[in-house]
Amino acid sequence: GAGVSQSPSNKVTEKGKDVELRCDPISGHTALYWYRQSLGQGLEFLIYFQGNSAPDKSGLPSDRFSAERTGGSVSTLTIQRTQQEDSAVYLCASSLVPGNTEAFFGQGTRLTVV
Amino acid sequence: DAKTTQPTSMDCAEGRAANLPCNHSTISGNEYVYWYRQIHSQGPQYIIHGLKNNETNEMASLIITEDRKSSTLILPHATLRDTAVYYCIVRVAGRNNDMRFGAGTRLTVKP
Repeated sequence: GAGVSQSPSNKVTEKGKDVELRCDPISGHTALYWYRQSLGQGLEFLIYFQGNSAPDKSGLPSDRFSAERTGGSVSTLTIQRTQQEDSAVYLCASSLVPGNTEAFFGQGTRLTVV
Repeated sequence: DAKTTQPTSMDCAEGRAANLPCNHSTISGNEYVYWYRQIHSQGPQYIIHGLKNNETNEMASLIITEDRKSSTLILPHATLRDTAVYYCIVRVAGRNNDMRFGAGTRLTVKP
């Protein structure tokens, strides 16, 4: 595709429900990153994929958060039993290879837990 | 990976050069310096990156000190649309790694 695509762009969910956020990276990009950005805050690193594997899951805030990537392309971030503090913009980025190439970001999914 | 420190905020007059500093005193020899910016309500946008030589593109210039412990991003003629949070990060070249952002510098360009 032309850029990194995230869906949905906005999601309102009730506390306790599960949500799935989707990221379609740029075609051919092997590295994929997930971040969380709370209102007025910086980018909090969540997880990084190289191909389908995630070398570092230490950024996931709790065991309610999980992510997977299949076919080296689409990734989903799942939040189980959502809490109000999960409300944030979730951003995805991809790059051609890890390391010294630029990363391209999607426009994010704004999650609101009510 | 090395950490970076940046001023929390800066102001710049429209039309003047904006010089944004970044300290990365523990940078390793194989780590690149990257700059991104995030305009309100948008995803971050890549600006420029470099290893040890100064770099210039259509958006900005990157000046890296000889000892590589600090760098400066220069926007030569700042416009109101350059108001954003600017992030300086360092990344190891050519190996699997994460990409972690600090708090960045909030640049406000004033008319």
